Amino acid sequence: AQSVTQLDSQVPVFEEAPVELRCNYSSSVSVYLFWYVQYPNQGLQLLLKYLSGSTLVESINGFEAEFNKSQTSFHLRKPSVHISDTAEYFCAVSERGSQGNLIFGKGTKLSVKP
Amino acid sequence: KAGVTQTPRYLIKTRGQQVTLSCSPISGHRSVSWYQQTPGQGLQFLFEYFSETQRNKGNFPGRFSGRQFSNSRSEMNVSTLELGDSALYLCASSLAPSALYQETQYFGPGTRLLVL
Repeated sequence: AQSVTQLDSQVPVFEEAPVELRCNYSSSVSVYLFWYVQYPNQGLQLLLKYLSGSTLVESINGFEAEFNKSQTSFHLRKPSVHISDTAEYFCAVSERGSQGNLIFGKGTKLSVKP
Repeated sequence: KAGVTQTPRYLIKTRGQQVTLSCSPISGHRSVSWYQQTPGQGLQFLFEYFSETQRNKGNFPGRFSGRQFSNSRSEMNVSTLELGDSALYLCASSLAPSALYQETQYFGPGTRLLVL
């Protein structure tokens, strides 16, 4: 059965520092991968997604993630974070050919300090 | 274009009661999915509706049910509420069933349910 593991439940970091949020998945078939962000008291917003093609995907606000099939990973990175990036980040997977529902990781709370 | 809207935003109920939550998808979207978010279990899939038909269902008891109307609006109902049903219930919409077309799901702000 598919599953998603986000290794860090909390990541504190100083403003302008680089950050990596780790995500590993388990699946016996090909997958689609997503990162969602949730700001306090809000719903989820899609940050970026990998469906096919280039394994490096980018968001409009400077985040990027790289699909690594051999390591079954989809880590999220940003070279320089801002205070406004403080939020909870969820990695999700959907198996190709399945019913399509998203399986989420437990989330990583990113806390950016001045 | 307006986003996914959910009503009510907050709700307090007591054990044994039932509750109905509403979701209006983005205009033109015909697929609606529901998720439950709790601190302990995280985000878990409840069910997906497309063209008024339930296409997929997560591992939840029969107390959790839903439906979709011809205008794509969806409701979910929880009967005989338990304390453990306290959660944020999120609705997501997409143009078509995500399994068939891998359409991106757009989430609403959620309904926060507290069961006392």
